[in-house]
Amino acid sequence: DQQVKQNSPSLSVQEGRISILNCDYTNSMFDYFLWYKKYPAEGPTFLISISSIKDKNEDGRFTVFLNKSAKHLSLHIVPSQPGDSAVYFCAATLDNAGNMLTFGGGTRLMVKP
Amino acid sequence: DVKVTQSSRYLVKRTGEKVFLECVQDMDHENMFWYRQDPGLGLRLIYFSYDVKMKEKGDIPEGYSVSREKKERFSLILESASTNQTSMYLCASSPGSANYGYTFGSGTRLTVV
Repeated sequence: DQQVKQNSPSLSVQEGRISILNCDYTNSMFDYFLWYKKYPAEGPTFLISISSIKDKNEDGRFTVFLNKSAKHLSLHIVPSQPGDSAVYFCAATLDNAGNMLTFGGGTRLMVKP
Repeated sequence: DVKVTQSSRYLVKRTGEKVFLECVQDMDHENMFWYRQDPGLGLRLIYFSYDVKMKEKGDIPEGYSVSREKKERFSLILESASTNQTSMYLCASSPGSANYGYTFGSGTRLTVV
């Protein structure tokens, strides 16, 4: 049973618009959440993280929102650029030591010029 | 630039063969991980190690073993390769803080025939 789920396998948006990628989790003990981006033939790269004591974290064009009561987090990319086209994974961990990340299934984002 | 290097990009092995996947990191990280990536399932943790000669099972350790004789090197071993182990294998390391996430290698695409 997947503890971290990304229910949309793919998302297509127009360049300049907002991309919203969603992630749900079931384990209320998760303490830290992360987003990774993966291009074909490359390993995932760390994008942004958020602690469970926060509800928002922003880094440039990327913002992660956490709704603990709903066990839901989302990644907003504004404005979206063609270079953002990739597979995005959300991940969760039980501690801030970053051990044993549990990943979602990924969402493929396509940003059209 | 920090790096996690996986020795092979592509491998084709026969059923029943013993397979070694090598991973080396140059960041002096304590923690190292092996994941496999399959479509729709995201990244699933096979094994991880938080110190030399230490190892912990992840979510799907069956059919795999690992070795960590030196801090910078973490090897994944398929004792007797089977076709259901055809997958993308990703090695990662981390300094032990979720603030920084993992650094992943580029992956090894293993095909077992």
